[in-house]
Amino acid sequence: QQQVKQSPQSLIVQKGGIPIINCAYENTAFDYFPWYQQFPGKGPALLIAIRPDVSEKKEGRFTISFNKSAKQFSLHIMDSQPGDSATYFCAASDSGTYKYIFGTGTRLKVLA
Amino acid sequence: SQTIHQWPATLVQPVGSPLSLECTVEGTSNPNLYWYRQAAGRGLQLLFYSVGIGQISSEVPQNLSASRPQDRQFILSSKKLLLSDSGFYLCARTWGSGETQYFGPGTRLLVL
Repeated sequence: QQQVKQSPQSLIVQKGGIPIINCAYENTAFDYFPWYQQFPGKGPALLIAIRPDVSEKKEGRFTISFNKSAKQFSLHIMDSQPGDSATYFCAASDSGTYKYIFGTGTRLKVLA
Repeated sequence: SQTIHQWPATLVQPVGSPLSLECTVEGTSNPNLYWYRQAAGRGLQLLFYSVGIGQISSEVPQNLSASRPQDRQFILSSKKLLLSDSGFYLCARTWGSGETQYFGPGTRLLVL
């Protein structure tokens, strides 16, 4: 019940495409859902985060879609660029704990 | 500044040797601090977290330990390293009581 399932494991898109990464959770106590971007050899960097009271949030080219009833959330990258090639992690936490549950990561490659 | 410092950046140690990794943070006092390990090409495994000086919670029983001797200092230690301790060690913090975790640059540990 504490797992966050992330898919796909890897993804290749052409420049300008819209890669979509999906995450699903079971614990209905989760109320905070961040996404992180990680380049090789670097620490993860926060991209965008959402709470269950909204269904969508946009920051620049990054959009989170959230479906509370399905317990799923997704990251969309608009007009993807080769510089977006990285590993993306979703996570979930509840405000009653101090811990994140991370997904297993998606390795994205954007072809020039 | 809300910078997170980790050192060393890279470490190669023989099996059975001791370990000490240090994380220091700047900025807001009383942050929550976290140690994660990331195996090559894998996700993030929470090892320890701390909500205050001397307060350590362990997530995974193993030969590692953590200490928080000062508000903005978090140390990861081992008395005897195993081959399986190799990985990328990441320190993370929250700002005060906030939920968002921010990651440091990481320490790459290779145990031979």
